[in-house]
Amino acid sequence: GEDVEQSLFLSVREGDSSVINCTYTDSSSTYLYWYKQEPGAGLQLLTYIFSNMDMKQDQRLTVLLNKKDKHLSLRIADTQTGDSAIYFCAESRRAGTALIFGKGTTLSVSS
Amino acid sequence: DGGITQSPKYLFRKEGQNVTLSCEQNLNHDAMYWYRQDPGQGLRLIYYSQIVNDFQKGDIAEGYSVSREKKESFPLTVTSAQKNPTAFYLCASRSPRDSNNEQFFGPGTRLTVL
Repeated sequence: GEDVEQSLFLSVREGDSSVINCTYTDSSSTYLYWYKQEPGAGLQLLTYIFSNMDMKQDQRLTVLLNKKDKHLSLRIADTQTGDSAIYFCAESRRAGTALIFGKGTTLSVSS
Repeated sequence: DGGITQSPKYLFRKEGQNVTLSCEQNLNHDAMYWYRQDPGQGLRLIYYSQIVNDFQKGDIAEGYSVSREKKESFPLTVTSAQKNPTAFYLCASRSPRDSNNEQFFGPGTRLTVL
């Protein structure tokens, strides 16, 4: 199976909350990341969480980590049309190694 | 401004031609990476380099080559042996001094082989 799995699409209305989910397989992962990609652009780091944390909040973004189930989620409060993008979950297994990315979730926000 | 630059943004080549994609960073990062992105496939690692004059194959290295003669530069050559080279190519870099192992990405190069 895939190392990091995400659902491919999510559609929400402006002002609603968005929740993007991710599962990973390696329990030794040290950091888990959420990257955002706008059309035709590179990836921008949104936030990350260290594996010994359960939750991290940064303005409209909330990351929840369930290590037992190897489940990571990103909640975007008050979703705006500018949040429409592809969101990638990624894990870092050892310091210095390349990140392992999921296939990305395309978030579509309608007004 | 510090950052990663990739050039060109769009590249068109005829089938059978080799083509080199540029990646430069002025972040003083030791490690650099090349990823390929296809629709619905996410990012797949082509090659990476942890230090100057050293590089390692990633998951899909066949048909690609790299060099790392300078810390700032990590060019990727797409050879005629790559069966399906049309894709979006992303370069990234990382500093071992960053405790969170974050990778910084360039804006990407879209390669189209005609």
